[in-house]
Amino acid sequence: DAGVIQSPRHEVTEMGQEVTLRCKPISGHDYLFWYRQTMMRGLELLIYFNNNVPIDDSGMPEDRFSAKMPNASFSTLKIQPSEPRDSAVYFCASSFSGMNTGELFFGEGSRLTVL
Amino acid sequence: RKEVEQDPGPFNVPEGATVAFNCTYSNSASQSFFWYRQDCRKEPKLLMSVYSSGNEDGRFTAQLNRASQYISLLIRDSKLSDSATYLCVVSLTNTGNQFYFGTGTSLTVIP
Repeated sequence: DAGVIQSPRHEVTEMGQEVTLRCKPISGHDYLFWYRQTMMRGLELLIYFNNNVPIDDSGMPEDRFSAKMPNASFSTLKIQPSEPRDSAVYFCASSFSGMNTGELFFGEGSRLTVL
Repeated sequence: RKEVEQDPGPFNVPEGATVAFNCTYSNSASQSFFWYRQDCRKEPKLLMSVYSSGNEDGRFTAQLNRASQYISLLIRDSKLSDSATYLCVVSLTNTGNQFYFGTGTSLTVIP
């Protein structure tokens, strides 16, 4: 079975450019999460969706960040304009509320470098 | 105050050693507890859930102390392949949302 699929795997861009990260969750999962990981701060929850509806976006750093989930199989995280401090690995994860374990399944991540 | 606190390490241990990681959480309403493993430049993956009565999976033993809001992971007979970062994770529900991650504890097993 396909896991969580993220693209691009690597992105190098210049400050001020728009960045769009994409995620396809596991089919049938009703929760989708966007995390950011840095050495200094570890894994930080940016936003999560339940049944395509944003539930908590309190982790989104500022207005430069936005996320959408137009349907159950696709989500985007957009940064506009990007800044060097946005450099990090961005993980998408999904889960199914019907599972007793409550396990999160992560994609392989999108490694963003903003120059 | 962070939801989940872990000693970042690093822990450098010889093969065959026993090593223990600890984690504390701040919200007494937390419902579910996990240890995830993250290899270098890879995504986190579930290692094991942590149950109130404690649980074991081969060389790995996880324990939960709700009164002290404390979770532990014990690895016996360490293997080189155990080298990774171990993340303590706490969830406020049993239904798949509000996961809080510790910053991770780095383990290197030395030949």
